[in-house]
Amino acid sequence: QKEVEQNSGPLSVPEGAIASLNCTYSDRGSQSFFWYRQYSGKSPELIMFIYSNGDKEDGRFTAQLNKASQYVSLLIRDSQPSDSATYLCAVPGYSGGGADGLTFGKGTHLIIQP
Amino acid sequence: DTEVTQTPKHLVMGMTNKKSLKCEQHMGHRAMYWYKQKAKKPPELMFVYSYEKLSINESVPSRFSPECPNSSLLNLHLHALQPEDSALYLCASSQGRGEGEKLFFGSGTQLSVL
Repeated sequence: QKEVEQNSGPLSVPEGAIASLNCTYSDRGSQSFFWYRQYSGKSPELIMFIYSNGDKEDGRFTAQLNKASQYVSLLIRDSQPSDSATYLCAVPGYSGGGADGLTFGKGTHLIIQP
Repeated sequence: DTEVTQTPKHLVMGMTNKKSLKCEQHMGHRAMYWYKQKAKKPPELMFVYSYEKLSINESVPSRFSPECPNSSLLNLHLHALQPEDSALYLCASSQGRGEGEKLFFGSGTQLSVL
């Protein structure tokens, strides 16, 4: 089973600053990487997907992938109190051939301080 | 329509009861999943159905019985559950390969076993 490691936090960031969330993964063969946001008592919501080395930007969110270091990160610019949530990093569970489900890290609890 | 619908949202059952959780998606996705999530833990994969066939069973106890009547519907039949089975049960669907590995989650069923 593939492993995904995240610092559980809490990570406290002042409003308006950049929040940086990190994730490492065990299987060098992993091809695609996902970031989910989960509010307390709610289900996970996909916010970013990345499969190429480098950066991918979507609005205030940037995902960064470094396959050589087996490291993927999520940056949130201009952090808002509404960004306070748990952020889950995930990789395909088995071969990555599809329909294998995702393996999730333990998640990082992010708190944006007004 | 990017919605996965789960019913019921909340369920309280005794250890001798039989109940079912239901999930429906109309995105034409070929794979559907059941995940279990305990408080402050990441989602854990239980079952995967691909093209209506059970493809992954993560050694789940037999008191949980999945069923996929057609490509849009997924059920989870519950019988003789234990209090430790109390959790948020999440249904998800996906297209499959590559970017299609993205999981779309329903809102979940919060299950309490007394």
